[in-house]
Amino acid sequence: EDQVTQSPEALRLQEGESSSLNCSYTVSGLRGLFWYRQDPGKGPEFLFTLYSAGEEKEKERLKATLTKKESFLHITAPKPEDSATYLCAVEYGNKLVFGAGTILRVKS
Amino acid sequence: SQTIHQWPATLVQPVGSPLSLECTVEGTSNPNLYWYRQAAGRGLQLLFYSVGIGQISSEVPQNLSASRPQDRQFILSSKKLLLSDSGFYLCAWSVLAGADTQYFGPGTRLTVL
Repeated sequence: EDQVTQSPEALRLQEGESSSLNCSYTVSGLRGLFWYRQDPGKGPEFLFTLYSAGEEKEKERLKATLTKKESFLHITAPKPEDSATYLCAVEYGNKLVFGAGTILRVKS
Repeated sequence: SQTIHQWPATLVQPVGSPLSLECTVEGTSNPNLYWYRQAAGRGLQLLFYSVGIGQISSEVPQNLSASRPQDRQFILSSKKLLLSDSGFYLCAWSVLAGADTQYFGPGTRLTVL
């Protein structure tokens, strides 16, 4: 059973069109949920860590939230430079388990 | 500040040839080190992790191996590459094991022909 599921697989937005990416997880006793951004051909870049339900973190146009079953990455008024694959991961068995990612394309 | 290096950036190897990918971390001591493989359109698969020199844990049975000869050096090897070994290989480090942020290197694109 997959511990981490991300949706949608791909998302196309117009510049300025706000939306959300979803990361649902099945591990119990969550000890950490991580969001990364990955540009083509590069290593993932760390964005946020969330540790408990109700926690929120923001960075520029991105805001991450966490509930007991899922996390959302909200993108407000995106720009073309926000285009990337966004990965989430949860701590499981003392390691990180990654979802398959959401490919975001923002058109000007 | 801490930095992580990987080389080579790209590699094309024939089936049956050996492999050696290197990862080094600067600016920190006794990091936890990780090797991941990323197939096209898929998430990261953890291959190996190390909590100290000479301490290697394998996550997935395969024809790859890892070694940590120095505190901040992590090497991924194979004696004979398979076609299925093609992929994007990423090295990462963290301060703590488990629920701690991992920081990734730039990656190595391996193509086995």
